[in-house]
Amino acid sequence: DTAVSQTPKYLVTQMGNDKSIKCEQNLGHDTMYWYKQDSKKFLKIMFSYNNKELIINETVPNRFSPKSPDKAHLNLHINSLELGDSAVYFCASSQLGTSGPKDEQFFGPGTRLTVL
Amino acid sequence: KNEVEQSPQNLTAQEGEFITINCSYSVGISALHWLQQHPGGGIVSLFMLSSGKKKHGRLIATINIQEKHSSLHITASHPRDSAVYICAPNFGNEKLTFGTGTRLTIIP
Repeated sequence: DTAVSQTPKYLVTQMGNDKSIKCEQNLGHDTMYWYKQDSKKFLKIMFSYNNKELIINETVPNRFSPKSPDKAHLNLHINSLELGDSAVYFCASSQLGTSGPKDEQFFGPGTRLTVL
Repeated sequence: KNEVEQSPQNLTAQEGEFITINCSYSVGISALHWLQQHPGGGIVSLFMLSSGKKKHGRLIATINIQEKHSSLHITASHPRDSAVYICAPNFGNEKLTFGTGTRLTIIP
């Protein structure tokens, strides 16, 4: 029933490891997003895919690689994790109009990543 | 530069009070979103509006495009309204730019 789901909910790992976060939406939306919320609770976009194509790629280290196998899935792979990567990562989806999101964005529950 | 300012940063009020949270932005937008982040961390979209006013239950969102300003109002506030409210304009592209949020605490 969940509209936007993310796994895992919590991720604790050592510096230098590689990890992935998965996101799925069952709303039929054509656009998905990854956001990072830092320790000060500030939200910032990282990536966006529209119909499996990358349309937003903010200034993010290339250790972060998004992958969208289909419209309903957007995964985030992080190589060589660093302490500063600790944050909450939110996935979201929406239907894109001609000048931006056509409708509200729906957010996943978030993945709290802790790098030790 | 696309900038967003929210005020106040923190707001504490008694149950039943009328709440107003303000959002100003620097350049023209195609739409503006109001989000609510619960104490548990989940984010919910409350409104997306590009003109005028929208109402959902006790929540009202207004926007003045000429003045580049939006407000979120909560009538008859309740402790369960305690959350962080985030304004996020869409500056005509595909992405949202987020304000720093307003932390609202409603005391019974």
